[in-house]
Amino acid sequence: SQQGEEDPQALSIQEGENATMNCSYKTSINNLQWYRQNSGRGLVHLILIRSNEREKHSGRLRVTLDTSKKSSSLLITASRAADTASYFCATASAFQKLVFGTGTRLLVSP
Amino acid sequence: GAVVSQHPSRVICKSGTSVKIECRSLDFQATTMFWYRQFPKQSLMLMATSNEGSKATYEQGVEKDKFLINHASLTLSTLTVTSAHPEDSSFYICSASWQALSYNEQFFGPGTRLTVL
Repeated sequence: SQQGEEDPQALSIQEGENATMNCSYKTSINNLQWYRQNSGRGLVHLILIRSNEREKHSGRLRVTLDTSKKSSSLLITASRAADTASYFCATASAFQKLVFGTGTRLLVSP
Repeated sequence: GAVVSQHPSRVICKSGTSVKIECRSLDFQATTMFWYRQFPKQSLMLMATSNEGSKATYEQGVEKDKFLINHASLTLSTLTVTSAHPEDSSFYICSASWQALSYNEQFFGPGTRLTVL
C-alpha cells in the first residue's frame, strides 16, 4: 500500500498543552499537506510544505519535513478544545494525486 | 473562494438500488475532480480521478461498473453507486482542483454519508 503511516493513532491532552503528530511516507514527493477533519465532516486544508522546505509555520501550527527520512511532523501549540479532530497528512506526487496517511485522532480536554 | 459542495449530505437506501452523489465546484472551474471513500475511523482512500470531458481513471480494486463517474462539466461531477449493498455503506468525499495550480491543491466537499440497508 502507498498509504502513509501516522502516529500516534490517538492522542489525548489537556488544553494549553502542545500536540505533536508524525507522518511517514514511502515514495518521493512534490509536497506534503496536512488536513483536519471534524467527526463526520469534510476536510479542511491546514498547511502545505514543499519538498525543498524543511519547516513552515501558520499561526499555532508548525510543520517540519525531512525528505531523507521521509517523515513530517505537525505541532499544534497551546491547544484548545476546539482543536479536537482527526488530522491527516497527505503526500502529493507529480501526478496530482494525494495519498493520505492513516490519521491521528486528537482529543483536547478543557 | 474555492468552495465545493456535495449533495446529498446523507442518504439511506435499500440494497439493490442505485444512488447518485453530486459534487459541484461553486466558484471555480474544476478541470479535475477526485472521489474518495472513508470507512469509520479510517483514512481517505482515492477511488477515482475524473477530468472534464473524459473517462474517469479508477484506482486498483475499484469496480468501474459499480461506481460510475461522470464529469460532464467544469463544475459538476457525479458518482453513481449502482446496485448498492450494505458493504458500500461509507462516507464519500469529493475534491476538486484545476490545472493552474502547481502544487496539487484540492478543495474538498463536505462529504456524503451513504447507508445501505
